[in-house]
Amino acid sequence: AQSVSQHNHHVILSEAASLELGCNYSYGGTVNLFWYVQYPGQHLQLLLKYFSGDPLVKGIKGFEAEFIKSKFSFNLRKPSVQWSDTAEYFCAVNGYNQGGKLIFGQGTELSVKP
Amino acid sequence: NAGVTQTPKFQVLKTGQSMTLQCAQDMNHEYMSWYRQDPGMGLRLIHYSVGAGITDQGEVPNGYNVSRSTTEDFPLRLLSAAPSQTSVYFCASSSTGESTEAFFGQGTRLTVV
Repeated sequence: AQSVSQHNHHVILSEAASLELGCNYSYGGTVNLFWYVQYPGQHLQLLLKYFSGDPLVKGIKGFEAEFIKSKFSFNLRKPSVQWSDTAEYFCAVNGYNQGGKLIFGQGTELSVKP
Repeated sequence: NAGVTQTPKFQVLKTGQSMTLQCAQDMNHEYMSWYRQDPGMGLRLIHYSVGAGITDQGEVPNGYNVSRSTTEDFPLRLLSAAPSQTSVYFCASSSTGESTEAFFGQGTRLTVV
């Protein structure tokens, strides 16, 4: 079955702490991988994406993610979080030519204390 | 560019009422999708479309109906609202191709009482 699992439901950090959010997926075939962010009361925004090539991808606002194919993982990282990073983060996957069919993880709520 | 536009932003329905959530995109995207977002469950696919006249069911289609008569519009119909349909609904669109990203609307927060 196709699925995405995010390891942490709620993460609480102090400003300047490092962040790593885990994401594992189960999907047959070649995949595209995404991290979306949802700030309180807002819609989803794309943080970064992996289609092919360099498995280390950089996104907006200093976020990066590493695709490890052998582990079916796509973990999100940021060296130093800010209070403004408080949001919910979603990992998602789709297959090639499946643009309309994203499978999302459960989401991780990140709270950053000033 | 407006991108993906959803209306209304908020709606309260009584059980048994029907309504249509509107979604329009101006990017000439072939793919359009509807998701619902519930706490602790992420977003789940309700219905999707790969082009005008073509729709298919996603993970949670029961109680919802869709049609796609134009490339731009993809309305979601609730035929007889139930409290279990209280949720936030997102419409998304994307272009065709092996690897494309989805663009999301602002969402519709629906409460069924």
